[in-house]
Amino acid sequence: QVQLVQSGAEMKKPGASVKLSCKASGYSFTNYYMHWVRQAPGQGLEWMGRINPSGGSTDYAQRFQGRVTITRDTSPSTVNMDLNSLRSEDTAMYYCTRGGSSWFVFDYWGQGTLVTVSS
Amino acid sequence: SSELTQDPAVSVALGQTVRITCQGDSLRNYYASWYQQKPGQAPVLVIYGNNNRPSGIPDRFSGSRSGDTASLTITGAQAEDEGDYYCNSRDSGADVFFGGGTKLTVL
Repeated sequence: QVQLVQSGAEMKKPGASVKLSCKASGYSFTNYYMHWVRQAPGQGLEWMGRINPSGGSTDYAQRFQGRVTITRDTSPSTVNMDLNSLRSEDTAMYYCTRGGSSWFVFDYWGQGTLVTVSS
Repeated sequence: SSELTQDPAVSVALGQTVRITCQGDSLRNYYASWYQQKPGQAPVLVIYGNNNRPSGIPDRFSGSRSGDTASLTITGAQAEDEGDYYCNSRDSGADVFFGGGTKLTVL
């Protein structure tokens, strides 16, 4: 069965960087896009960007351009998300999610990683 | 515009039918998908491609589209359907957008 297992919670100070990981299993890793979506406390879902695990090409939401980098390792099947210059507004649950039948349909989700940014 | 607009909250009596809508220009060209999220849990895909249900999603969930508006309909709402519902779609480039979410209360 498809599983996306994310790394553990992080606590960071403003200005720092954070690297999250998402390990995929149960399907052909290079056949599906992987996305990162975040959710601030009590707020809605926000798309951050995606990677094509086959070639490693990426696209990022404009508001995160220059601050976010998504990479992948094919062995093991892992997608990473780096976010730098953290500020308190980046405190959120971060999810990796697989692009399914179409690249913008998110059919499987990781359990989420809570990132807390506080001085 | 890539914005998707949803009503913040909707309520339905147990066993009745409720429709949750999502409006945006991009929906004229690209279909919407719908996600259910319960407190403390990751979202779950319930409808994609306007009206397709993933395996395991009850058939009381259905979707439709008319013009710039996509709808999620729950026919015979159950207590376990309470939660937040989000639509999403894409724009003509590579971006993905979510609606602001609708909180569904089953009375």
